[in-house]
Amino acid sequence: AQSVTQLDSHVSVSEGTPVLLRCNYSSSYSPSLFWYVQHPNKGLQLLLKYTSAATLVKGINGFEAEFKKSETSFHLTKPSAHMSDAAEYFCVVSVDSGNTPLVFGKGTRLSVIA
Amino acid sequence: KAGVTQTPRYLIKTRGQQVTLSCSPISGHRSVSWYQQTPGQGLQFLFEYFSETQRNKGNFPGRFSGRQFSNSRSEMNVSTLELGDSALYLCASSLYLHRYSNQPQHFGDGTRLSIL
Repeated sequence: AQSVTQLDSHVSVSEGTPVLLRCNYSSSYSPSLFWYVQHPNKGLQLLLKYTSAATLVKGINGFEAEFKKSETSFHLTKPSAHMSDAAEYFCVVSVDSGNTPLVFGKGTRLSVIA
Repeated sequence: KAGVTQTPRYLIKTRGQQVTLSCSPISGHRSVSWYQQTPGQGLQFLFEYFSETQRNKGNFPGRFSGRQFSNSRSEMNVSTLELGDSALYLCASSLYLHRYSNQPQHFGDGTRLSIL
């Protein structure tokens, strides 16, 4: 079975400071991992994906994530937060085996303080 | 290239009624998945369609059903609505069945369904 745990339900940072959103996963197979962002009253937008190539993945809007197999983690980072980054972020795991659908984390709400 | 389009954006129904939601995927995408999003349960998978066939189904009662047409457009139907069905329903499309590739899903903005 596979699962995703987002370790923080809410993270608050000041504008211009670094962002760290934490995600741990559990998977019996080699996973694909994604981070999505959701702004209010909108659907989910893909930020980045890991698919067994480079362990450091760069995404849109300055976000990046590092896949650490030994720690079963896929944390999302950004060097400097902008006000427009305030949104809900979801870590998602996908396994190319059987009929298992995507598994979503519970989400982390990011607040950015001016 | 147009994104995933969901209609309507907002819907208000009463208990016992039924509702049909529509999703038009990105052109060329053949897989359509449906999700329910609520504050308490988060994002939950409903079902996935590919080539007009349901390929995967989540743990929802039979009141939730769907179908996919030859042009890949999909509809989701909920019968005998309950208060707990109030949620944001999201549709996502991808080129292939997700389990055969690592292609990400592209989401629409959702239909917000409110049950009175």
